[in-house]
Amino acid sequence: DTGVSQDPRHKITKRGQNVTFRCDPISEHNRLYWYRQTLGQGPEFLTYFQNEAQLEKSRLLSDRFSAERPKGSFSTLEIQRTEQGDSAMYLCASSSVNEKLFFGSGTQLSVL
Amino acid sequence: KQEVTQIPAALSVPEGENLVLNCSFTDSAIYNLQWFRQDPGKGLTSLLLIQSSQREQTSGRLNASLDKSSGRSTLYIAASQPGDSATYLCAVRPFNSNYQLIWGAGTKLIIKP
Repeated sequence: DTGVSQDPRHKITKRGQNVTFRCDPISEHNRLYWYRQTLGQGPEFLTYFQNEAQLEKSRLLSDRFSAERPKGSFSTLEIQRTEQGDSAMYLCASSSVNEKLFFGSGTQLSVL
Repeated sequence: KQEVTQIPAALSVPEGENLVLNCSFTDSAIYNLQWFRQDPGKGLTSLLLIQSSQREQTSGRLNASLDKSSGRSTLYIAASQPGDSATYLCAVRPFNSNYQLIWGAGTKLIIKP
């Protein structure tokens, strides 16, 4: 297993369009996290899955954001009606019970 | 509300020096603290994880300490190398969260050859 994979690496979209990102975690990990990061800042928590259950979602996350992990393996993050303020690096991480996080390389979103 | 601060925001040192990076947090009620490394445009790599019951963790040239009572952690890097140049972030998991981490903004480290 080569680690956490994210697709695409880069996404450029126009304001108002919908975008979807995919994350494939390390296969043995049942915990999956989505974070968002802007330049010069630490990551901002978005949501957390344990297996297929979404156990926590940031109160900062608007209704335009939704995430799924249908079979407890890969996860998708969808942003509807994108805004320029959504431009950021979207990071996915996974972990086992020891909580050491393994991150993917991220998806850089640019909303024009 | 838990807040995590890393000072300085940037640090430049000559190759070979030992150095210490600082992380402070406002609420001592934490499960654990992690130190991460981030290279430009890349994801994060976990370096060390310290459970709340532990005082320190070591990996190679890296040593991280945790003092919950004072709300401080340090990352010690021995014999620094140019390849250590990166941004180093710390993150804590508070008691009142379901696995959500609270992050510092990071210290950008440059090791000069």
